[in-house]
Amino acid sequence: GQSLEQPSEVTAVEGAIVQINCTYQTSGFYGLSWYQQHDGGAPTFLSYNALDGLEETGRFSSFLSRSDSYGYLLLQELQMKDSASYFCAVRDPGAGNMLTFGGGTRLMVKP
Amino acid sequence: ETGVTQTPRHLVMGMTNKKSLKCEQHLGHNAMYWYKQSAKKPLELMFVYNFKEQTENNSVPSRFSPECPNSSHLFLHLHTLQPEDSALYLCASSQTRDTNYGYTFGSGTRLTVV
Repeated sequence: GQSLEQPSEVTAVEGAIVQINCTYQTSGFYGLSWYQQHDGGAPTFLSYNALDGLEETGRFSSFLSRSDSYGYLLLQELQMKDSASYFCAVRDPGAGNMLTFGGGTRLMVKP
Repeated sequence: ETGVTQTPRHLVMGMTNKKSLKCEQHLGHNAMYWYKQSAKKPLELMFVYNFKEQTENNSVPSRFSPECPNSSHLFLHLHTLQPEDSALYLCASSQTRDTNYGYTFGSGTRLTVV
């Protein structure tokens, strides 16, 4: 079967750096995506990694290691508005090429 | 607004009611999706439409019935639901079903079955 594991909750302070890990077990793999969802809001696309390495977009970076079936989202210079849930998702050709999502990590940023 | 609009935002319905959820996008996307989001569970894919054709039905009970009259609109018809069907129902769209780019989600319909 397919599964994506990520921590359920992470707490950090404003200005800090936080890393949200995601390990996946899927029959196939095309890429790892990250989405952000504020309470009551729509999930919004943050990043996509198809190849190993680090992709940086402003304060957010995403990393992938295909050999370890592992990735992470790195958030720097945390702001209060970063408090949200973060989901990793894998595009799996063994699952009709659909996105399979992790359970989400709830990030709480404190002053 | 993300470009994907869902109505209504909130819905309370009895187990014998019939209701419909609506999703609309004018992003020029050709694939549309219904996801179910329950507390403390991963997003569950329900249905996929690609160029108006249903390509996936993820073992969803027949009390949920999708309809895609054109590539801009997607409906989810509900009838004789159960309390465990209470959840946030999210619609999403993407350029095509096989895109490597992100999905655009709507803000969802919060459904409560009483």
